[in-house]
Amino acid sequence: AQSVAQPEDQVNVAEGNPLTVKCTYSVSGNPYLFWYVQYPNRGLQFLLKYITGDNLVKGSYGFEAEFNKSQTSFHLKKPSALVSDSALYFCAVRAGSGAGSYQLTFGKGTKLSVIP
Amino acid sequence: DAGVIQSPRHEVTEMGQEVTLRCKPISGHDYLFWYRQTMMRGLELLIYFNNNVPIDDSGMPEDRFSAKMPNASFSTLKIQPSEPRDSAVYFCASSPAGTVQPQHFGDGTRLSIL
Repeated sequence: AQSVAQPEDQVNVAEGNPLTVKCTYSVSGNPYLFWYVQYPNRGLQFLLKYITGDNLVKGSYGFEAEFNKSQTSFHLKKPSALVSDSALYFCAVRAGSGAGSYQLTFGKGTKLSVIP
Repeated sequence: DAGVIQSPRHEVTEMGQEVTLRCKPISGHDYLFWYRQTMMRGLELLIYFNNNVPIDDSGMPEDRFSAKMPNASFSTLKIQPSEPRDSAVYFCASSPAGTVQPQHFGDGTRLSIL
């Protein structure tokens, strides 16, 4: 079975500072990894994905994520946080192939608060 | 592109009543997913369809829940009879074919069972 852990329920960061939201995963075979963001009363919005290749993936709104196979991690990063980045962030994993490969397993989410 | 459209956005009803949630996926998307989001359990996959056919319904909580997709542009999730523990936000998502494709979410239906 595949699983995702987001060890921090909440992350607070000052505006302009770099931010990191942590994610570790467990899956059989090669992982496909995703980050989504959710604003209040809205659905999840896709930010970026890792399929294969370069371990540093760039996505929407200046976000990027680093895939680390040995640590089974896929941390979300941004060099300079904005107040508008405050939201709930979800990491998700999907098996690369085989049964259940269309199913996304989500982490519990991390609430990011950017303080002006 | 109108995105995934869900209706109603909010539903409040009494225990025992039938509840029907509706979803219109993005045109051309082959996959449709129903999720439930609660504070306690997070985001749970209930069921997903491929080309209107249910592929995996192992996440459906119990027989009170049913989902249909009569055509490529419409799906329903029905709860009958509803119970207070069904209160949650229900999301529909769709994606094109291909395991690398991200899912596109609707804005959800906030369901409250009194």
